[in-house]
Amino acid sequence: DAGVTQSPTHLIKTRGQHVTLRCSPISGHKSVSWYQQVLGQGPQFIFQYYEKEERGRGNFPDRFSARQFPNYSSELNVNALLLGDSALYLCASSLVPNQPQHFGDGTRLSIL
Amino acid sequence: GEDVEQSLFLSVREGDSSVINCTYTDSSSTYLYWYKQEPGAGLQLLTYIFSNMDMKQDQRLTVLLNKKDKHLSLRIADTQTGDSAIYFCAESMRPGGSYIPTFGRGTSLIVHP
Repeated sequence: DAGVTQSPTHLIKTRGQHVTLRCSPISGHKSVSWYQQVLGQGPQFIFQYYEKEERGRGNFPDRFSARQFPNYSSELNVNALLLGDSALYLCASSLVPNQPQHFGDGTRLSIL
Repeated sequence: GEDVEQSLFLSVREGDSSVINCTYTDSSSTYLYWYKQEPGAGLQLLTYIFSNMDMKQDQRLTVLLNKKDKHLSLRIADTQTGDSAIYFCAESMRPGGSYIPTFGRGTSLIVHP
């Protein structure tokens, strides 16, 4: 079975642009979470969605938004990109929110 | 607030046991996890333990939980060079009905011949 898949794997943007990152959960998983991981740190929680509704939001500015689709895939959108948004963005899925999460390989976002 | 702390580096010889330690602050943690991250990859769930357990063993991995001291450890028996990676400890709580893992900064395990 396919694991969590994320696209694109790498992305280069310039300051002020916007970006959309995509995630497909493991088949049967209904909960998707997004994390930001900067070099040398653990993942920081951004959003959690379950059954297409937002279930949790981390301490990130409103430039970050997300949604979950009827097929349980998800998008993370970031507007007005800043240099500090350069990071590995990880998506994780679980059957339901209280089950252990499984991660994709992430999207490496570089802001120039 | 919640906080998860780990030592940053651990170096072991191939064939020895590795013990990676983690402390957490929130006594209401429900799940505690160990994840492995290899270069250029995402996080791989290694094992997890419920907060009402003291120990869990899975092949070469042994997890010990001391709830009184809020201390979690991961022991890897017969450590191999392929075990070289960053290991993250995480705790999961239930604020407002959602289980959001909080991660430590990771322990970089270096296995040398």
